Amino acid sequence: ELKVEQNPLFLSMQEGKNYTIYCNYSTTSDRLYWYRQDPGKSLESLFVLLSNGAVKQEGRLMASLDTKARLSTLHITAAVHDLSATYFCAVELDNYGQNFVFGPGTRLSVLP
Amino acid sequence: SQTIHQWPATLVQPVGSPLSLECTVEGTSNPNLYWYRQAAGRGLQLLFYSVGIGQISSEVPQNLSASRPQDRQFILSSKKLLLSDSGFYLCAWSVSSGMRSNQPQHFGDGTRLSIL
Repeated sequence: ELKVEQNPLFLSMQEGKNYTIYCNYSTTSDRLYWYRQDPGKSLESLFVLLSNGAVKQEGRLMASLDTKARLSTLHITAAVHDLSATYFCAVELDNYGQNFVFGPGTRLSVLP
Repeated sequence: SQTIHQWPATLVQPVGSPLSLECTVEGTSNPNLYWYRQAAGRGLQLLFYSVGIGQISSEVPQNLSASRPQDRQFILSSKKLLLSDSGFYLCAWSVSSGMRSNQPQHFGDGTRLSIL
């Protein structure tokens, strides 16, 4: 059974600081997605990572994928309050049917 | 372009009452469809998924049921709601299985269900 773990689950950081959120998964996959969820809102797709070594950047966020280590990272550079949200990673499998498995989410609070 | 509609946005229901939440997708055919529930401050719990009309797989035993009467319509139902059914319900779609989608799941805006 595929397990997807995120670390940390809760993160409180000051504006201007850097930090990395980690997403580990337990089986082979080369497709991983990052989502953002604002309080009371739905999930919004952030990054699509489709191969080993893939790196995507959007503003102060950068995501990468290492399929050999079964690890994806979401790096935050010079955090601002607007980045406060919950971030989920999800791994896609080649199963027929239930083919997306989500991590538990990382709740990020950026403090002024 | 593809869109997903989910309604209602909020719902307050008494214990023991029935439930029907609807989700429709436009702009694609034969999508995979999913119902998730999210308790306050928690992660996503997959309730049901469907790979085609009339094909429903349940992930968690409960008093909820799902149906897919049309290709792009997914309905979540209950005959008698429990207090524990409160939560944020999200519908999602993805490109059908059996092929590399290379696309994320796409989520509706969600329904916030409160049981009194």
